[in-house]
Amino acid sequence: KQEVTQIPAALSVPEGENLVLNCSFTDSAIYNLQWFRQDPGKGLTSLLLIQSSQREQTSGRLNASLDKSSGRSTLYIAASQPGDSATYLCAPEVGGGADGLTFGKGTHLIIQP
Amino acid sequence: EAQVTQNPRYLITVTGKKLTVTCSQNMNHEYMSWYRQDPGLGLRQIYYSMNVEVTDKGDVPEGYKVSRKEKRNFPLILESPSPNQTSLYFCASSLRRGGQNGYTFGSGTRLTVV
Repeated sequence: KQEVTQIPAALSVPEGENLVLNCSFTDSAIYNLQWFRQDPGKGLTSLLLIQSSQREQTSGRLNASLDKSSGRSTLYIAASQPGDSATYLCAPEVGGGADGLTFGKGTHLIIQP
Repeated sequence: EAQVTQNPRYLITVTGKKLTVTCSQNMNHEYMSWYRQDPGLGLRQIYYSMNVEVTDKGDVPEGYKVSRKEKRNFPLILESPSPNQTSLYFCASSLRRGGQNGYTFGSGTRLTVV
């Protein structure tokens, strides 16, 4: 069964820093991997989707990479802003079987003004 | 606007009183699923549906039922809610498994069972 680990569990940094959030997963037979953002008590907002055949995806200040063979993905946030404060969730979708998305427990990010 | 709509957003109920949380998507997605989110446990899948009339259990199906009579709707039914079902629930949909656009989530339903 797929297991997803996100490191660090929490991170607090001053505004303007570049950040790297890490995600590792145990089953490399994935269709894709999706990064989400969740604000406290709110729903999940999709940030980036990387297909299994891709190495990275970019959207604005966000860049996500995928190394499927080693079971790793990173989310890079450039020039962080207080509005980036949220929990970031990584979710690979396992190919075959019936698991759908499996979530990590997230990285709780605080950007200090 | 393409979206997944859940209702209600908040619900407080008593133990044993049957309830239904509705979920509807307007994107003609084949795949729909329900998750619950609990502190320290993350998001766990309850049930999923590959298409109309096709449903199956996820990781934590005990105490829940679902149905998929129409493509757009996927209600979550708690026949006899218990306090351990107090949680934040999310419905999600995808065009199909492994689709190009990933999953879209609803805004969530916060359920409290007393």
